[in-house]
Amino acid sequence: EVQLVESGGGLVQPGRSMKLSCAASGFTFSNYGMAWVRQAPKKGLEWVAYISYDGGSTYYRDPVKGRFTISRDNAKSTLYLQMDSLRSEDTATYYCTTLNLWGQGVMVTVSS
Amino acid sequence: DIVMTQGALPNPVPSGESVSITCRSSKSLLYSDGKTYLNWYLQRPGQSPQLLIYWMSTRASGVSDRFSGSGSGTDFTLKISGVEAEDVGVYYCQQGLEFPNTFGAGTKLELK
Repeated sequence: EVQLVESGGGLVQPGRSMKLSCAASGFTFSNYGMAWVRQAPKKGLEWVAYISYDGGSTYYRDPVKGRFTISRDNAKSTLYLQMDSLRSEDTATYYCTTLNLWGQGVMVTVSS
Repeated sequence: DIVMTQGALPNPVPSGESVSITCRSSKSLLYSDGKTYLNWYLQRPGQSPQLLIYWMSTRASGVSDRFSGSGSGTDFTLKISGVEAEDVGVYYCQQGLEFPNTFGAGTKLELK
């Protein structure tokens, strides 16, 4: 089955770190650029970061530059998002996506 | 960043009626390869987003032909011919021309 499954979310205190994972299956992961898109509670979609098919290029939205790192392991068909110095405004459901295929999302809550 | 502005619908919409959702970009999304990098998504209640249209007018695999996309370089329309119950949700446009790949704020479709 073609799918993306995110994991690693939960409750974290402001200033702390969290790493999300996204396991891909059913397709050739190494052929696709991947993105993380988030959605704050009751809000719209917000593009967060992108990584090229081979990991050679990465892009971030300005508010997360220097705090978030997108990476991938093509041998494991897994996408990652390392989130450091987390802020309350990072609270959201995080989706990994090829844009044509989306995971179910993982909730990250930043709160003391 | 490219700003995406979506119009609203006169909700609720009677079942079977055709509706058009508008989206405007602050910069032309027409690229030198002749493609216009505008995507449309539907997020049904409680679900992950689903890609409907890419390159402004190309339907994604498995998407009903009741959905059609059109437009110019900066003004875009998603038409739904004969709204059905399964079409209820929030529609988002997104530009794929430049990073960050910004989304519109979303247009909610409710059925009467």
